[in-house]
Amino acid sequence: SQKIEQNSEALNIQEGKTATLTCNYTNYSPAYLQWYRQDPGRGPVFLLLIRENEKEKRKERLKVTFDTTLKQSLFHITASQPADSATYLCAFRSGSARQLTFGSGTQLTVLP
Amino acid sequence: GAVVSQHPSWVICKSGTSVKIECRSLDFQATTMFWYRQFPKQSLMLMATSNEGSKATYEQGVEKDKFLINHASLTLSTLTVTSAHPEDSSFYICSAPFPGTGNTIYFGEGSWLTVV
Repeated sequence: SQKIEQNSEALNIQEGKTATLTCNYTNYSPAYLQWYRQDPGRGPVFLLLIRENEKEKRKERLKVTFDTTLKQSLFHITASQPADSATYLCAFRSGSARQLTFGSGTQLTVLP
Repeated sequence: GAVVSQHPSWVICKSGTSVKIECRSLDFQATTMFWYRQFPKQSLMLMATSNEGSKATYEQGVEKDKFLINHASLTLSTLTVTSAHPEDSSFYICSAPFPGTGNTIYFGEGSWLTVV
């Protein structure tokens, strides 16, 4: 069955640096891969969606890449700030399914 | 602003009672909504897919008689936890695909359930 993995449970970086989070999947490429931010006790907040035929998406300080050869998506936050500290979740959808399958999440801490 | 709203944000109930959680799509119609459950420090696990006007589709291992889902209108789905037990205490989150956004799925704020 399809699996989605986020390699790091936790990542600490210094303020101003670029944070890079990894999401790997097995088997077939999802039609859509989405990244969410989740703060403690809150629902996930949508950040970016990237399609199978797209290599890169950007939104302000955020960038997502999608490499179907490596079966991997990278999520970058440039010029990171302490306010970026949160758990980041990647999730995929296959073409026919409408529900999301989530990775376990990476807890990012940006140190001042 | 939020496009999916949940109510209540948190609820405490006694063992053996039932509790209802509402999920509303704001200013858009959602023929499908999804219910997730999340335990502390774990990821979201899909419980069921709520379909407007028809029966919900439950994931393997989720008791449909315990977690009753009703999707009576295009903007409202409800999850009722029946005969609640302490092990049902969790964070319940709903989501819905927002039309015209390339299938982006938005989540509600979540509902904390504590069964005492």
